[in-house]
Amino acid sequence: QSALTQPRSVSESPGQSVTISCTGTSSDVGANNYVSWYQQHPGQAPKVMIYDVSKRPSGVPDRFSGSKSGNTASLTITGLQAEDEADYYCCSYSGSYTLYVFGTGTKVTVL
Amino acid sequence: EVQLVESGGDLVEPGGSLRVSCAASGFSFPDAWMHWVRQAPGKGLEWVGLIKNKRDGGTTHYAAPVKGRFTISRDDSKNTVFLQMNSLKTEDTALYYCVTDYFHHMNVWGKGTTVSVSS
Repeated sequence: QSALTQPRSVSESPGQSVTISCTGTSSDVGANNYVSWYQQHPGQAPKVMIYDVSKRPSGVPDRFSGSKSGNTASLTITGLQAEDEADYYCCSYSGSYTLYVFGTGTKVTVL
Repeated sequence: EVQLVESGGDLVEPGGSLRVSCAASGFSFPDAWMHWVRQAPGKGLEWVGLIKNKRDGGTTHYAAPVKGRFTISRDDSKNTVFLQMNSLKTEDTALYYCVTDYFHHMNVWGKGTTVSVSS
């Protein structure tokens, strides 16, 4: 099962918004609402930012939001801050042979 | 505080075996489903496998690249999950993370243990 497709990088100025896409198939992203997003700073373990497509764990700023349409999920960061500069990965439960599949990862740069 | 501490990572020759462990604390480990996720140097995240709790059958699931070579097990009396890796390949070189599951997403992550496969 192939990795979900994400843009390699996105960049924007502080205070602006960025949206990261995560494209899968009808067997994973399009099959259920178990899409999650993870933030990873260099040298650190990933941290869940969004789960079940659009739910935020406690402690995650409401600048982070998630959505899904068909086979594509999206993570939007509004009011970009310097600390948001990191790698972001989507992940989908697929329920098939390989239960979970991650995205290829997107590097977010705050200019 | 929920904490996961991986250990056992090492340098192994191709074809060799290694078992890494993950000690859990701060939550009811016997009730938890546990994942292993790996990250090759400079690469993205890759799901390795999952073990469910005993109540849900203790079932294991694996990613295609490791199925038949890796085995996940757990010792609820020691709050520990294991990843037994056999027939190791150079492409298994990675940082291996232990992660708790929370309703189909990966919730709390350990800091990882490094496995290097090289001759």
